[in-house]
Amino acid sequence: KAGVTQTPRYLIKTRGQQVTLSCSPISGHRSVSWYQQTPGQGLQFLFEYFSETQRNKGNFPGRFSGRQFSNSRSEMNVSTLELGDSALYLCASSLGGTDAYEQYFGPGTRLTVT
Amino acid sequence: DQQVKQNSPSLSVQEGRISILNCDYTNSMFDYFLWYKKYPAEGPTFLISISSIKDKNEDGRFTVFLNKSAKHLSLHIVPSQPGDSAVYFCAASADSTGTYKYIFGTGTRLKVLA
Repeated sequence: KAGVTQTPRYLIKTRGQQVTLSCSPISGHRSVSWYQQTPGQGLQFLFEYFSETQRNKGNFPGRFSGRQFSNSRSEMNVSTLELGDSALYLCASSLGGTDAYEQYFGPGTRLTVT
Repeated sequence: DQQVKQNSPSLSVQEGRISILNCDYTNSMFDYFLWYKKYPAEGPTFLISISSIKDKNEDGRFTVFLNKSAKHLSLHIVPSQPGDSAVYFCAASADSTGTYKYIFGTGTRLKVLA
């Protein structure tokens, strides 16, 4: 079974631009979560989608948004990029049920904002 | 406010000895805990989990201990192997709403010396 895939793997953008990252979950997984990883901050939860609905949201500004499609693929969008948005963005998928807690991560998208 | 803390940024252990990685949390509502291992340029890999109704869970060389009164959990790796060298993250969830909002620690870099 294929794992979680994320595209692109690397991205360089300029301040003020916007960016869209994509995540394809493991087949059959309906929950997709997004995390931001920066040095010293660990992984910080952005949001989680289940069946095309955002179920939970972390403490990030409204510039960070996401969506999920009917095939469970998810996209994350960051508008008006700031230098501090440079990070590794990880998505994780899980079955989504109340007895399936394990999340499986993709390799991440490394975003550099200049 | 860091609700999940890994106070040791790094740890070095001789091959064959025990590695003990620690994690403290502040939110008494957390009821599910996970450990992940992360190699460079890869997403985190799920290792082991424990729910708050248990105080120990074992899987091969990996054992997680939970002390709810102290709000502390630890991951024991016995015996440690050079391939265990990676960054280890603990994560906690208050799954009362059935969602997957995980709070991660900042990670501990484990180096197993041959």
